[in-house]
Amino acid sequence: SQQGEEDPQALSIQEGENATMNCSYKTSINNLQWYRQNSGRGLVHLILIRSNEREKHSGRLRVTLDTSKKSSSLLITASRAADTASYFCAFSHGSSNTGKLIFGQGTTLQVKP
Amino acid sequence: SAVISQKPSRDICQRGTSLTIQCQVDSQVTMMFWYRQQPGQSLTLIATANQGSEATYESGFVIDKFPISRPNLTFSTLTVSNMSPEDSSIYLCSVAGQAFMNTEAFFGQGTRLTVV
Repeated sequence: SQQGEEDPQALSIQEGENATMNCSYKTSINNLQWYRQNSGRGLVHLILIRSNEREKHSGRLRVTLDTSKKSSSLLITASRAADTASYFCAFSHGSSNTGKLIFGQGTTLQVKP
Repeated sequence: SAVISQKPSRDICQRGTSLTIQCQVDSQVTMMFWYRQQPGQSLTLIATANQGSEATYESGFVIDKFPISRPNLTFSTLTVSNMSPEDSSIYLCSVAGQAFMNTEAFFGQGTRLTVV
């Protein structure tokens, strides 16, 4: 299967702690994206990292990409209760347009106040 | 960016019936995508809807079960036909086009379908 794999499947932390989620994939990619989903609603785009980039920051988010290991990580620093959600990595590959995405299995994050 | 309106937001349907989900985008886009998210699972691409041509279906999805229309560059529909409880899922539309190459994809809020 080309589906991405994420770990951990579930993560529970206290407010203020950092949360790290990992994503691995099997094929070459054009880019890798991270999305958040609250309570089974629509997806909110968090950050996109291109295949020639190694690290990217956006506010409290830090994403790394290691194409040699075919893996990416999402770090959320100083977590808040509002960060409680499911987080998905997604990637496009080959000649696929960005919108045709393969998703990881997701990490459910619970941040306790 | 793109704003996507998807409706209905949720529905409860009887088995054997069909439901058509609508997706409206606030700008013209080349491609629209339909995804399914089964309970507790990740998203799986159903098909790619191109304006002016037949939709392209992913492995495991067929046109008879999930017919798609794409009458113009801002609108698409997905029909879930002859529904069974196994079709209970969240269905999401997404957009990307040439202007969105190597940029984020945008998603509607999803349609939560329950088949009883």
